[in-house]
Amino acid sequence: DGGITQSPKYLFRKEGQNVTLSCEQNLNHDAMYWYRQDPGQGLRLIYYSQIVNDFQKGDIAEGYSVSREKKESFPLTVTSAQKNPTAFYLCASSNLRQTAVDTEAFFGQGTRLTVV
Amino acid sequence: AQKVTQAQTEISVVEKEDVTLDCVYETRDTTYYLFWYKQPPSGELVFLIRRNSFDEQNEISGRYSWNFQKSTSSFNFTITASQVVDSAVYFCALSDSYNAGKSTFGDGTTLTVKP
Repeated sequence: DGGITQSPKYLFRKEGQNVTLSCEQNLNHDAMYWYRQDPGQGLRLIYYSQIVNDFQKGDIAEGYSVSREKKESFPLTVTSAQKNPTAFYLCASSNLRQTAVDTEAFFGQGTRLTVV
Repeated sequence: AQKVTQAQTEISVVEKEDVTLDCVYETRDTTYYLFWYKQPPSGELVFLIRRNSFDEQNEISGRYSWNFQKSTSSFNFTITASQVVDSAVYFCALSDSYNAGKSTFGDGTTLTVKP
């Protein structure tokens, strides 16, 4: 079945550590995204990529880094510079078209990151 | 800048009641997409409905219906004859016409349907 796979489901990070969240999609979508969700809040965009080897900052990119070496993969690294990383992280993908029927985003099941 | 407001933080209904979730948006774009997503306790967002800015026709799909009004910048979502399985957080989202996954989300409405 086509979809988005995020791993791990739960992740614990010690102060000062970098951690990497994995996101893989087999939907052949051009674009991929990382969102952060805090309790009681909506999703906020961290980074997005519309093509391999290119990505753009979203609204809250500070303390995060990404790479897009393959179309199907878009890993997110939470660096030690991110002061409050405890949150739920969602990866998504979508097509890019001017007028399309299926322009919605498809989401993974998320990674819950906790700083210990 | 884009903005999406979901004024209802939490709604509680009894099974079989109809429930409407409100969404108001702000954008300077002339063409855009509006979405409703459902987030069950498992965490994954599930797409429900989509509407583009140049089509104000309101539709019904099963127990779901939506009311899109550009004049009031509103995109309300109604569940008819609610069921316990409808209990979830519902998000309204707004994107431009090219990159639908790059969306601005509201803060969500938590719907609880009691048996």
